[in-house]
Amino acid sequence: SQTIHQWPATLVQPVGSPLSLECTVEGTSNPNLYWYRQAAGRGLQLLFYSVGIGQISSEVPQNLSASRPQDRQFILSSKKLLLSDSGFYLCAWSASAETQYFGPGTRLLVL
Amino acid sequence: AQSVTQPDIHITVSEGASLELRCNYSYGATPYLFWYVQSPGQGLQLLLKYFSGDTLVQGIKGFEAEFKRSQSSFNLRKPSVHWSDAAEYFCAVAYRGSTLGRLYFGRGTQLTVWP
Repeated sequence: SQTIHQWPATLVQPVGSPLSLECTVEGTSNPNLYWYRQAAGRGLQLLFYSVGIGQISSEVPQNLSASRPQDRQFILSSKKLLLSDSGFYLCAWSASAETQYFGPGTRLLVL
Repeated sequence: AQSVTQPDIHITVSEGASLELRCNYSYGATPYLFWYVQSPGQGLQLLLKYFSGDTLVQGIKGFEAEFKRSQSSFNLRKPSVHWSDAAEYFCAVAYRGSTLGRLYFGRGTQLTVWP
């Protein structure tokens, strides 16, 4: 069966520091991959999506970036974190253009 | 543009009572429809989905949802709520024919269950 992992589970970072969040999927090949951010009271915001290695599309302009160095690995990065980057980051995968399955999430607090 | 409305931000029910969470979508054709549940500090878990066929779909944990085309609705129901159902519930839609399957989420409904 397919599983999705995210780490770290929780992260506290100072403003201006770099960020790297990792997401990996097991048990499937060539999945669509997604990064979402969930801020308090603001629902889920799609940040990036990828349909293949090296193929990244951004939904909103921001100081975050994403990369997909391997088929089942999706990384969310920032060179300099802002206070507004705090939130709950969720990775998701889908085998087709239908059902998305979510990872456990990473709680990021920027101080 | 596609949009998803969950009109109830917060609902409180007693354990054992019935539950209905509302979801309406704005879309030119019948989309794919989903309900997810999120417990505090955790990811989203898929409860059920509707693609086509029978408009009443059964999901996990005793939940069901009914698609009503005339009302552009996909309401989630459970006959008897358990304390463990306390969580946030998200309705989502996806555009048929999209190679990406982008999901559009509602803002969520927080469910509190009284013992």
